[in-house]
Amino acid sequence: DAKTTQPPSMDCAEGRAANLPCNHSTISGNEYVYWYRQIHSQGPQYIIHGLKNNETNEMASLIITEDRKSSTLILPHATLRDTAVYYCIVRVLYYNQGGKLIFGQGTELSVKP
Amino acid sequence: GAVVSQHPSWVICKSGTSVKIECRSLDFQATTMFWYRQFPKQSLMLMATSNEGSKATYEQGVEKDKFLINHASLTLSTLTVTSAHPEDSSFYICSARGDSGRFHEQFFGPGTRLTVL
Repeated sequence: DAKTTQPPSMDCAEGRAANLPCNHSTISGNEYVYWYRQIHSQGPQYIIHGLKNNETNEMASLIITEDRKSSTLILPHATLRDTAVYYCIVRVLYYNQGGKLIFGQGTELSVKP
Repeated sequence: GAVVSQHPSWVICKSGTSVKIECRSLDFQATTMFWYRQFPKQSLMLMATSNEGSKATYEQGVEKDKFLINHASLTLSTLTVTSAHPEDSSFYICSARGDSGRFHEQFFGPGTRLTVL
């Protein structure tokens, strides 16, 4: 699977939008972009995924550049409970094609009052 | 989302003993289960992947005789750490992936913290 690059840490003020960038310049055409987060001492939680179109759900929005070499996860109104490590992962869809979630170092997001 | 449980949530054992960790998918059939390990201040590291009824596939560098994985049913996988030593102390997290079109979805358990004295 392609590797991703994320800033190690970011701060965000409570109530503001948190924009978390991810670089995946070697992404293949059949690889999806996934975002998970891990709150301290818990298992990771799925946030959102996309292939090439922008996606939105109740948790976040995912903006993928046209060349698919980078993406941004947007938490529209960050709360203190959004403080976590956010992982950007690229993966092919099917397990029998090598579709495993391989975690990088992620971005530690601190939401401050 | 679907629920994945792990038991126990934490365990303390003496060096040389074996520890079994259970992972269950509570409301869906998990055709594939994954086991991860996480050391403090580090990211999750994939240890192995198991498909129901098949032998587990281990990632490079993971000792298959040390970490025994059994995926006996579509809702249960177990990880046994054999002859545990202090360096095996870690946070072990399982993950389950369903079938029937839900290929995107992979759910994680809450983790099991293992401390070997």
